[in-house]
Amino acid sequence: DAGVTQSPTHLIKTRGQQVTLRCSPKSGHDTVSWYQQALGQGPQFIFQYYEEEERQRGNFPDRFSGHQFPNYSSELNVNALLLGDSALYLCASSFDRASGYTFGSGTRLTVV
Amino acid sequence: RKEVEQDPGPFNVPEGATVAFNCTYSNSASQSFFWYRQDCRKEPKLLMSVYSSGNEDGRFTAQLNRASQYISLLIRDSKLSDSATYLCVVNLDSSYKLIFGSGTRLLVRP
Repeated sequence: DAGVTQSPTHLIKTRGQQVTLRCSPKSGHDTVSWYQQALGQGPQFIFQYYEEEERQRGNFPDRFSGHQFPNYSSELNVNALLLGDSALYLCASSFDRASGYTFGSGTRLTVV
Repeated sequence: RKEVEQDPGPFNVPEGATVAFNCTYSNSASQSFFWYRQDCRKEPKLLMSVYSSGNEDGRFTAQLNRASQYISLLIRDSKLSDSATYLCVVNLDSSYKLIFGSGTRLLVRP
C-alpha cells in the first residue's frame, strides 16, 4: 500500500520563476494538505484541499495556489519565487481528522 | 507569542536515560494534541496522540494539562534510535490545520 508520494524530491529554481509540486495521497485518503517547513522550524500550514476545493488556507500570499484533481492528487504552485521560499514542502493526506495525517517525504525547493 | 512553544534543545542523554519534553500552547480552543517525530531531512511521522487522561505507548508516555495548556512527552530507557526531533502539534476543533511547534532535538549517545 503506497503511502503519500511527492515529486520531485529536489528542485532548484531561480528567483522570479514559477514552480509546480505534485502529491499523490495515500490510498483511501481524499484530503490533501500542504505545509512549508523552513530549516529549523516546524511545518507551517499552506492550505488544504477536499472535493477539489480549497477548504482552508493558512497565512500565505496569493503566489501560493493549488489544485486537487478528481483522483484526489494535488498540485502546489508557487509564482514569482523569492529566496525565502526555499524550504521543504510537505504534503499530508487524510481520510478524516480523527484518523490522522500521513506525510509524504517532501520536495526540497531551493531558490537561487 | 508562538501558538505552540517548545524548548529547541538539544537534549543530549546517554542510552537508558529517561528524558522529558514539554510544550505549551496558546489557544485554549485547541482540541487535539499529538507528538510527531522527525528524523533529519525526513518527513514528520506520528508518534502518538495525546489524550486528556494521559496515555502510554511502550516506552513513551504523553500527558496533557488543559488548565495550564501544557503537553509533555516522557521517553524511558532511551535508545540510540530515539535520536530525532520531536514536534508538538495541536489542532483547533474549528480548523483543519495542524499547528506545529519548532521541535525539540534529542541526541542519545552510547
